Amino acid sequence: GAGVSQSPSNKVTEKGKDVELRCDPISGHTALYWYRQSLGQGLEFLIYFQGNSAPDKSGLPSDRFSAERTGGSVSTLTIQRTQQEDSAVYLCASTGQGRVSTDTQYFGPGTRLTVL
Amino acid sequence: KNQVEQSPQSLIILEGKNCTLQCNYTVSPFSNLRWYKQDTGRGPVSLTIMTFSENTKSNGRYTATLDADTKQSSLHITASQLSDSASYICVVIPTGGGNKLTFGTGTQLKVEL
Repeated sequence: GAGVSQSPSNKVTEKGKDVELRCDPISGHTALYWYRQSLGQGLEFLIYFQGNSAPDKSGLPSDRFSAERTGGSVSTLTIQRTQQEDSAVYLCASTGQGRVSTDTQYFGPGTRLTVL
Repeated sequence: KNQVEQSPQSLIILEGKNCTLQCNYTVSPFSNLRWYKQDTGRGPVSLTIMTFSENTKSNGRYTATLDADTKQSSLHITASQLSDSASYICVVIPTGGGNKLTFGTGTQLKVEL
């Protein structure tokens, strides 16, 4: 496909369980971002990957959240011991060059996470 | 307090009418300001990108304006269509802010027959 894809589209889990969310960026894009969109809130930056550089993890809300990007392509966001406040839509975006000041970000459709 | 505030929170207009959405920001300095359209259940899609030195940018029926003195931006939609129903999000990219884009909470627009 030509766009950013994410899976699953919906995930319902029980409090305390771990979840993994996947993002496939646009082929050739070097930069990848994860955001969280809670109901009635603006998008919240979580983590940023650019090529082989160390990721910018400054937006991760707690140590229960982690992410990795294998081979500079697919990324997985993991949330351990999920809490109800983790319920949100998790969006992934990629850009061609990683210049956040000028590049257009292409977003995936998101994963809607519901923690019961 | 959110550094990017949008108004109105929601808006309903009739098909064919024009509307203007507002964005007030306190982020300063900034490198550029963007407007995104987010359809329900989809990711945001970029509409316009303006640098701090630009006053206006158009994309079809969408025209964004920027007043850096008053720290205000607006998105004007002309001759609205049903497909314009979506959330419109204002985003400010701070200068030297690393990778942290500052997103507004959006204006939910509904276009009706």
